[in-house]
Amino acid sequence: DAGVIQSPRHEVTEMGQEVTLRCKPISGHNSLFWYRQTMMRGLELLIYFNNNVPIDDSGMPEDRFSAKMPNASFSTLKIQPSEPRDSAVYFCASNGQGIGQPQHFGDGTRLSIL
Amino acid sequence: QKEVEQDPGPLSVPEGAIVSLNCTYSNSAFQYFMWYRQYSRKGPELLMYTYSSGNKEDGRFTAQVDKSSKYISLFIRDSQPSDSATYLCAYKVGTGNQFYFGTGTSLTVIP
Repeated sequence: DAGVIQSPRHEVTEMGQEVTLRCKPISGHNSLFWYRQTMMRGLELLIYFNNNVPIDDSGMPEDRFSAKMPNASFSTLKIQPSEPRDSAVYFCASNGQGIGQPQHFGDGTRLSIL
Repeated sequence: QKEVEQDPGPLSVPEGAIVSLNCTYSNSAFQYFMWYRQYSRKGPELLMYTYSSGNKEDGRFTAQVDKSSKYISLFIRDSQPSDSATYLCAYKVGTGNQFYFGTGTSLTVIP
């Protein structure tokens, strides 16, 4: 089975540019999560979707961040405009329906904002 | 208070040693506990999960949950250099889909 697929794996861009991160969840999983990981703060939940609907976006740091899930097999996380403090590894995870379903993670996008 | 606290380490042990990794959590509601392993430049990978108190064993790995003290542990027997990674504890409360992660403990097993 294919796991969670994220692209790009690495992104280096200049401050002020728009950044779009992409995620394909595991087929059949109905929940999708976006996380940000840094050395200082560990893994932080940004937003999660259930059946393509955003359920909790309280972790989205600012209005510069937005996320969409137009269908069950694709999601994007957009940062516009980007800032150096957005530099981190961004992970997407998905899990299936039912109590006790663990999350499965992609390999992340390593984002560097210069 | 954070939902889950984890000692960041780093922890360095010789090959063959028994490793003990620990977390404490704060919420007393129904929980589901997980341990993830994360290699450098990779995503967290699920190692083990359990609902209940007590021990759950999988090969060299044992997950232990003590709900009375809100303490969860992962033991690694006969540690190998390939176990060198960051280990994250996590738990889920109730029937919602919110997972809480520790900050991870970095482990190095020296050959």
